[in-house]
Amino acid sequence: EVQLVESGGGLVQPGGSLRLSCAASGFTVSSNHMSWVRQAPGKGLEWVSVIYRGESTYYADSVKGRFTISRDRSKNTVYLQMNSLRTEDTAVYYCARDKSSSFAFDYWGQGTLVTVSS
Amino acid sequence: QSALTQPASVSGSPGQSITISCTGTSSDVGGYDYVSWYQQHPGKAPKLMIYDVSDRPSGVSNRFSGSKSGNTASLTISGLQPEDGADYYCSSYTSSNTLVFGGGTKLTVL
Repeated sequence: EVQLVESGGGLVQPGGSLRLSCAASGFTVSSNHMSWVRQAPGKGLEWVSVIYRGESTYYADSVKGRFTISRDRSKNTVYLQMNSLRTEDTAVYYCARDKSSSFAFDYWGQGTLVTVSS
Repeated sequence: QSALTQPASVSGSPGQSITISCTGTSSDVGGYDYVSWYQQHPGKAPKLMIYDVSDRPSGVSNRFSGSKSGNTASLTISGLQPEDGADYYCSSYTSSNTLVFGGGTKLTVL
């Protein structure tokens, strides 16, 4: 059974850093594109970043230069390193598996809440 | 990258059909057949309902269907049921190798 479990969220001050983890089971993270998607409280979905099977990475303009996505094959885990955090980064962060390399996310984690506040 | 445009809300009675539109540009919806639709109930993770414009994942009811014309994609739900009440989001791959979501549509089943 495919499962994604996020962790690492919490309260951080503006300008601080956090690293989110997404532990996968039931498949290999290197065999699918993997994305992070966030949702601010009461707002819609916002795509954040993707790591392709071939290691290429892409980011939304809102996080480019501040966030870094990576993957550890040995731990079957995807990470999102978030630096220079802003209040507008406050959201539930989901990791999601791309079903067919077309940015269609067939499995999602339960989400982890990141709160950026002083 | 600007969000795709969806109506903020739609409503329908049980048994009726509704359609939710999702308008983008030639750099996203109009340029690729990589449009997906998600259903999200409060406090839950989104669920994939349609991918690649009109394909349904296994386990999704055939009451859900998708289509595209030009820069606008559509999700149609036929035979509305009370449990269909939720937020719906479209998404599209873009020419920048990124993904863009729509602003979301709240479906109310009256």
